[in-house]
Amino acid sequence: DVVMTQSPLSLPVTLGQPASISCRSSQSLAHSNENTYLHWFHQRPGQSPRRLIYKVSNRDSGVPDRFSGSGSGTDFTLTISRVEAEDVGIYYCMQGTHRPPTFGQGTKVEIK
Amino acid sequence: EVQLVESGGGLVQPGGSLRLSCAASGFTFDYWMTWVRQAPGKGLEWVANINHDGSETYYVDSVKGRFTISRDNAKNSLYLQMDSLRAEDTAVYYCARDATWHNFDHWGQGTLVTVSS
Repeated sequence: DVVMTQSPLSLPVTLGQPASISCRSSQSLAHSNENTYLHWFHQRPGQSPRRLIYKVSNRDSGVPDRFSGSGSGTDFTLTISRVEAEDVGIYYCMQGTHRPPTFGQGTKVEIK
Repeated sequence: EVQLVESGGGLVQPGGSLRLSCAASGFTFDYWMTWVRQAPGKGLEWVANINHDGSETYYVDSVKGRFTISRDNAKNSLYLQMDSLRAEDTAVYYCARDATWHNFDHWGQGTLVTVSS
């Protein structure tokens, strides 16, 4: 199975400051169909996960443009340009290129 | 609006069975569908998925032979039959719509399964 490794696992951030989360996969996530199925999810306490970014860099409807995704191959990054209070929670990367789909361990974002 | 509503969770003894349901609405129920679980205080784990007509199913190794995913398109419903339950199956179980190739764009609120004597 493809192992997804996130860092850091805990990220204290200051409101209004940028933040970034790294996600690395044990195999390339480039599919033969030229898509890369690397997605990012956000889970607030007591809530279901919500998809933020799909296929590396595509923001979901309603997701603020302060969120962006980048990367290729095995290295990916989620960036928040200016953290807001509502951004707290746990962020997961997930690969869907290889079966079974696998998630990173999660990165807990909290306000300093 | 896409809605997924899980039900059927509860407390069950080790070795017991439980059947989860997921009622879908707000979209044409011809997508791949998935179950994902989250043990208390832990991360997300994909469990199983099923194609649009139920002819293809896939499972994580830890549940193969014990869990069965199925669907009833006439009822817009997804199911997860869980047999021979173990303590390590304790988790919130989410159903999710798979937009394409393991791309889970909508999730339900989850249903808690607790396996304990």
